[in-house]
Amino acid sequence: AQSVTQLGSHVSVSEGALVLLRCNYSSSVPPYLFWYVQYPNQGLQLLLKYTSAATLVKGINGFEAEFKKSETSFHLTKPSAHMSDAAEYFCAVSDLYNQGGKLIFGQGTELSVKP
Amino acid sequence: KAGVTQTPRYLIKTRGQQVTLSCSPISGHRSVSWYQQTPGQGLQFLFEYFSETQRNKGNFPGRFSGRQFSNSRSEMNVSTLELGDSALYLCASSLAPGLDVEEQYFGPGTRLTVT
Repeated sequence: AQSVTQLGSHVSVSEGALVLLRCNYSSSVPPYLFWYVQYPNQGLQLLLKYTSAATLVKGINGFEAEFKKSETSFHLTKPSAHMSDAAEYFCAVSDLYNQGGKLIFGQGTELSVKP
Repeated sequence: KAGVTQTPRYLIKTRGQQVTLSCSPISGHRSVSWYQQTPGQGLQFLFEYFSETQRNKGNFPGRFSGRQFSNSRSEMNVSTLELGDSALYLCASSLAPGLDVEEQYFGPGTRLTVT
């Protein structure tokens, strides 16, 4: 069975500092991995996705993530945090071959950005 | 192109009542998935529809049901509402399930409060 673990339910950084949000997955098949962001009272917006092509994936708003099979990780980073990055972030895994569109989400990490 | 729309955005119901939520996918998208988001359980997959057929179902009681129409619009129904059904219900659409690297686009959600 697939699962996702996000380490840290809440992360706080200063504006301009590095953002690192951690995600570890468990999957018996090559996974598809996603990072989504959710702003208050809104749905989820896709930041980036890993599809077994390049292991370093670049997304929107300056975010990127690196797929590390040996560590079963897919951590999200951004070199310099901006106030507008404050939101909740979700890592998700999908087994498209067997489960179609079903996404399995981590518990989420709330990112706070201090001025 | 218009995004995923969900109606209503907010809903207050009483225990024991039933409720129907609606989702209109992005034009051309034929797959619709539903998720429940609560503070305690996080984001959980409810079900997925494609071509008016349920392709996948999450681990929810039979009180939760759904359907998809020929125009790809989808509804979900919850009967005999319980307090624990209070949640944000998110709908996501994609072109079709099972395709390589399929992206799901989320609507803003329907906030259901059961009193």
